[in-house]
Amino acid sequence: GAVVSQHPSRVICKSGTSVKIECRSLDFQATTMFWYRQFPKQSLMLMATSNEGSKATYEQGVEKDKFLINHASLTLSTLTVTSAHPEDSSFYICSALPSVGDQPQHFGDGTRLSIL
Amino acid sequence: GEDVEQSLFLSVREGDSSVINCTYTDSSSTYLYWYKQEPGAGLQLLTYIFSNMDMKQDQRLTVLLNKKDKHLSLRIADTQTGDSAIYFCAERGTGGFKTIFGAGTRLFVKA
Repeated sequence: GAVVSQHPSRVICKSGTSVKIECRSLDFQATTMFWYRQFPKQSLMLMATSNEGSKATYEQGVEKDKFLINHASLTLSTLTVTSAHPEDSSFYICSALPSVGDQPQHFGDGTRLSIL
Repeated sequence: GEDVEQSLFLSVREGDSSVINCTYTDSSSTYLYWYKQEPGAGLQLLTYIFSNMDMKQDQRLTVLLNKKDKHLSLRIADTQTGDSAIYFCAERGTGGFKTIFGAGTRLFVKA
């Protein structure tokens, strides 16, 4: 089945550090990938839609300079949380939409980010 | 705009059937999904149904779709403690890339 690999699974770092999270589709190509944020006991909040070879589309209220997204290939999108602060601590999940056919999104296992 | 709603909690006894309900507002929804999220993990696609189907069964899982009422349900037969998780209902329209998710139903299975 379709597999999405997300790394790292957990990050703990100091305030002011920039953190990069990778999302890879392992056995399919994905023109479109999505980045979500999930607070404890809450649903997914779509942050941005990542499009291969073009700029990401950010949802209202999400700072594009804070959350940098790069989708340089059909199998890789990265999210960089720049100058992270404690309020950025959260569970970040990516998903990938297969380029071919009417298929559902497939999710990575998420990255738990803790900023001290 | 599009909206997906589902109840927040469901508690059942081990061995009973669980039924998780979902309603959506987008009449152009073409694909309807059920995802499962275990603690600390991402979302796992359980099953999905196209809008031209009324029912889909896959082992212990049965999905029922009432397109007229925009109501989707997921029935889990013989519920096990390992089924305890959050279940997300989601929908996507034709030609759209964005999938709209419900808030998730937390299923508790009592031994």
